[in-house]
Amino acid sequence: QQQVKQSPQSLIVQKGGIPIINCAYENTAFDYFPWYQQFPGKGPALLIAIRPDVSEKKEGRFTISFNKSAKQFSLHIMDSQPGDSATYFCAASSLNNAGNMLTFGGGTRLMVKP
Amino acid sequence: DAGVIQSPRHEVTEMGQEVTLRCKPISGHNSLFWYRQTMMRGLELLIYFNNNVPIDDSGMPEDRFSAKMPNASFSTLKIQPSEPRDSAVYFCASSWEDFEQYFGPGTRLTVT
Repeated sequence: QQQVKQSPQSLIVQKGGIPIINCAYENTAFDYFPWYQQFPGKGPALLIAIRPDVSEKKEGRFTISFNKSAKQFSLHIMDSQPGDSATYFCAASSLNNAGNMLTFGGGTRLMVKP
Repeated sequence: DAGVIQSPRHEVTEMGQEVTLRCKPISGHNSLFWYRQTMMRGLELLIYFNNNVPIDDSGMPEDRFSAKMPNASFSTLKIQPSEPRDSAVYFCASSWEDFEQYFGPGTRLTVT
């Protein structure tokens, strides 16, 4: 019930392409869905997050699409750049319960080729 | 402003030794989280403190692991005795209430 499944595990795109990373969850109590970006040797950093009362959220070149009925959400990176090469993690938590305890997906290693 | 500070950044120890990882959260934050990251299991939440009180430790793998938060500016994660399977990167993160979690740079632990 606590699992968050993320795909693909790795992704290679050309500069300017639109990589899409997908996540699915089972626990219907989840109500907060952040995406984290992690560079080698660094800790994860929050990229963008969404609550289930909206179906899409954009911040710069990053967009989250959320499908509550399917229990799925995805990250789109518009006009991807080599500097976007990193590992991306989706996560979920139930803020209405005891605190923001995140359950992470397995991660997607993205490479953007020049 | 300083972010989350973790020490040491790297730790190499022999099986059976005690290991203590340290974390200083961002000043003013009242929630603190310890995570473990491995290739096999990804990022796992070990324990969550709120206002220095452990709220959920269901992710702590076994009794060899313990965590404390004696005050708002310091937390430790202790492994005693350490085993090779404990080798991982351990992250500390802090937040104000349920807002964004800020992660530290991590401690890479190698148990030989």
